[in-house]
Amino acid sequence: AQSVTQLDSHVSVSEGTPVLLRCNYSSSYSPSLFWYVQHPNKGLQLLLKYTSAATLVKGINGFEAEFKKSETSFHLTKPSAHMSDAAEYFCVVSDRASGGSYIPTFGRGTSLIVHP
Amino acid sequence: GAGVSQSPSNKVTEKGKDVELRCDPISGHTALYWYRQSLGQGLEFLIYFQGNSAPDKSGLPSDRFSAERTGGSVSTLTIQRTQQEDSAVYLCASSTGLAANTGELFFGEGSRLTVL
Repeated sequence: AQSVTQLDSHVSVSEGTPVLLRCNYSSSYSPSLFWYVQHPNKGLQLLLKYTSAATLVKGINGFEAEFKKSETSFHLTKPSAHMSDAAEYFCVVSDRASGGSYIPTFGRGTSLIVHP
Repeated sequence: GAGVSQSPSNKVTEKGKDVELRCDPISGHTALYWYRQSLGQGLEFLIYFQGNSAPDKSGLPSDRFSAERTGGSVSTLTIQRTQQEDSAVYLCASSTGLAANTGELFFGEGSRLTVL
């Protein structure tokens, strides 16, 4: 069984300050982990993914995430927030379900608010 | 088009009516997923197709929900006798077979269903 917990429903930062969006996961297997971003009235877009290669993963728009197996975490960070980063962010875990298919499980989302 | 296409983008219906939501995946993508996103909630998995078969339909909330996929391409999600709690954004995603093994998905912009 797999699950994902996003620890904050809302995160508010000032433009130019660091961003930290927290995610913890539970998986019976070696999981794949993702962050997706959803801008208002837009479809979800893949931000970055971890699939058992390097534990520090770099994504689009300056975001990165670090896979920490000992902490079962996959937190998303960015050194300096931009106004255009304001969106909903989803942490996703995917491992092999019964029957062999991969069914990604989404967290509840973290709303990132960026103040000027 | 190059992306996942969903129609209608918005649907308002009366309680008790049937609705059909359509998804046209990216050409060549063998895997197709339906999710439901309710206000303030994460994405809830509904059903997964590999080709025309549905190895996992465990997320369908009741027997009022059904889905089919034909020609390994277009999928239709049908909700019979709609209820107010069915109001949500229904998201479709597709994936290549290889990407599906890691859970990487490409999403449409969704169909917003409102049941009055």
